[in-house]
Amino acid sequence: DSGVTQTPKHLITATGQRVTLRCSPRSGDLSVYWYQQSLDQGLQFLIQYYNGEERAKGNILERFSAQQFPDLHSELNLSSLELGDSALYFCASSRSGANVLTFGAGSRLTVL
Amino acid sequence: GIQVEQSPPDLILQEGANSTLRCNFSDSVNNLQWFHQNPWGQLINLFYIPSGTKQNGRLSATTVATERYSLLYISSSQTTDSGVYFCALNTGFQKLVFGTGTRLLVSP
Repeated sequence: DSGVTQTPKHLITATGQRVTLRCSPRSGDLSVYWYQQSLDQGLQFLIQYYNGEERAKGNILERFSAQQFPDLHSELNLSSLELGDSALYFCASSRSGANVLTFGAGSRLTVL
Repeated sequence: GIQVEQSPPDLILQEGANSTLRCNFSDSVNNLQWFHQNPWGQLINLFYIPSGTKQNGRLSATTVATERYSLLYISSSQTTDSGVYFCALNTGFQKLVFGTGTRLLVSP
């Protein structure tokens, strides 16, 4: 157990729907990162939050949004889902000033 | 953008064999991490190694930042070493750029 908790582990939904993925970082970690792993794009950085504020943005679609709450957990919202959004979504966390990211087990999203 | 290339893309070993995985990158490195993605999908940190050499049990890694490559050595491989190995570069704010991975299968 890495200490980073992601729910749900698996999710199957239909095109056009909206889902929310949740992440609880390791105790004491202020930064949360979201990554997407798909067959065609590999592992890609989506977005980073630090202590509730957006810090960096990567290849995140406009249909996707995220936020980090005061208790430091984070949610990734995916809307108007398309078949191509099927992927493994990872959350990672790190301590302030740390150089190492610790990843959760991932949420596997299947869009039918 | 930064390019991260890994070789070989696939590797099949007999249990007990040694292997070397390579990661080439196109830009100077703030830091570099090696990960193992096990067959269940979990990404596990192996090394944080912006330069120099580190060892952890049967695994070791070397990064030569001036020549823009890193190597991961696996000795006396075991079936539990199977999975995909990724190197990833930190491009700032811990934004990692991942390589395409090396898929390793260790057979008994």
